Amino acid sequence: GQQVMQIPQYQHVQEGEDFTTYCNSSTTLSNIQWYKQRPGGHPVFLIQLVKSGEVKKQKRLTFQFGEAKKNSSLHITATQTTDVGTYFCAGPLSSGSARQLTFGSGTQLTVLP
Amino acid sequence: NAGVTQTPKFQVLKTGQSMTLQCAQDMNHEYMSWYRQDPGMGLRLIHYSVGAGITDQGEVPNGYNVSRSTTEDFPLRLLSAAPSQTSVYFCASSARWGAADHYEQYFGPGTRLTVT
Repeated sequence: GQQVMQIPQYQHVQEGEDFTTYCNSSTTLSNIQWYKQRPGGHPVFLIQLVKSGEVKKQKRLTFQFGEAKKNSSLHITATQTTDVGTYFCAGPLSSGSARQLTFGSGTQLTVLP
Repeated sequence: NAGVTQTPKFQVLKTGQSMTLQCAQDMNHEYMSWYRQDPGMGLRLIHYSVGAGITDQGEVPNGYNVSRSTTEDFPLRLLSAAPSQTSVYFCASSARWGAADHYEQYFGPGTRLTVT
């Protein structure tokens, strides 16, 4: 079945360093979403990418959607302790009539002060 | 708006017991879903609904039932709890489902369930 793979599973960075998480799908995605979950919290929507090659920025966060629409990345510049959490990508399952989002396993980011 | 609310926040069950996790949203969203989250496995879809009276199975539906009698409510029932159902359960809603439409999911705060 369709899978969304995410790497790395864990990442520890020193505050001020950059961070990147990668998401790869076994099939072409019509769009991809990114969510952030703080420790002990619930996932919170960050952004949706729809177009091939799309790049969107939110302050220090840069999101990219691959040309083939099978991969995506989230890059954080100059991490801060407020960036701590787990970042998930999610893509829509498109087989038959299924209307589901498939989530990656997430990248847990730790920022050391 | 309260958004998506879930009750209870914490629950301990014994093996074989049944219970219902409650989920409600006040945003008039068509699409609602239940996920379970286990360490290292991300969020896995249990059941979802695209509107009142319509439900369908997700990736891991065994041991769970749902119903959607109103737009607002989407309860999840555990029929006979097992230790493998120890997890954090999240309910989510979105305005609609569309292949390329914007359908941001709003998550509730979660229910932390332990089955002994």
